[in-house]
Amino acid sequence: DTEVTQTPKHLVMGMTNKKSLKCEQHMGHRAMYWYKQKAKKPPELMFVYSYEKLSINESVPSRFSPECPNSSLLNLHLHALQPEDSALYLCASSQQGGGSTYEQYFGPGTRLTVT
Amino acid sequence: GESVGLHLPTLSVQEGDNSIINCAYSNSASDYFIWYKQESGKGPQFIIDIRSNMDKRQGQRVTVLLNKTVKHLSLQIAATQPGDSAVYFCAVLRKGAQKLVFGQGTRLTINP
Repeated sequence: DTEVTQTPKHLVMGMTNKKSLKCEQHMGHRAMYWYKQKAKKPPELMFVYSYEKLSINESVPSRFSPECPNSSLLNLHLHALQPEDSALYLCASSQQGGGSTYEQYFGPGTRLTVT
Repeated sequence: GESVGLHLPTLSVQEGDNSIINCAYSNSASDYFIWYKQESGKGPQFIIDIRSNMDKRQGQRVTVLLNKTVKHLSLQIAATQPGDSAVYFCAVLRKGAQKLVFGQGTRLTINP
């Protein structure tokens, strides 16, 4: 199984809502990532979890709150988002968390629209 | 830091021709290089990777070339097919780092 799954596929939320994005992998990977991708742009790294601990936060606003309940799951909690946060949110995982990071496998993404 | 650039935003080729997509990076400590394919509405899909101790690697219909002297990376796709239409990103990783740095991407269009 070389699949990263993400739910939901699409999400529309108001600026006062609280929602969560979910990501799951069963490849035994110990590093998991959240990326944000705007239209016609490359993915931008948001967070990295290595062995279930947050290892990188790319100065992401606190309205985005990541959580790694176990080595297979990664959540992104959303609260009080702005319309400019509308984007495709991608989850990825890789074999190792520290030192050399091997190829990252991406999920299909969650298309988020903030109204 | 690392920056990845020097690309054509779009590339059109005839079906059956070979495609070459280029990428340049700035940090000579970069150790690991990946090419991803992203089709519309999907996440990036791993195509092929290469480490800095190699200068060429071949996969099925794809070849990645690495020129460390000029810090240049290319992806060659042989006998391009309609299913190859997508945006192609190169990504670079510095040794010991966790953060992949992506190039801006090249949209490949296949003409029948």
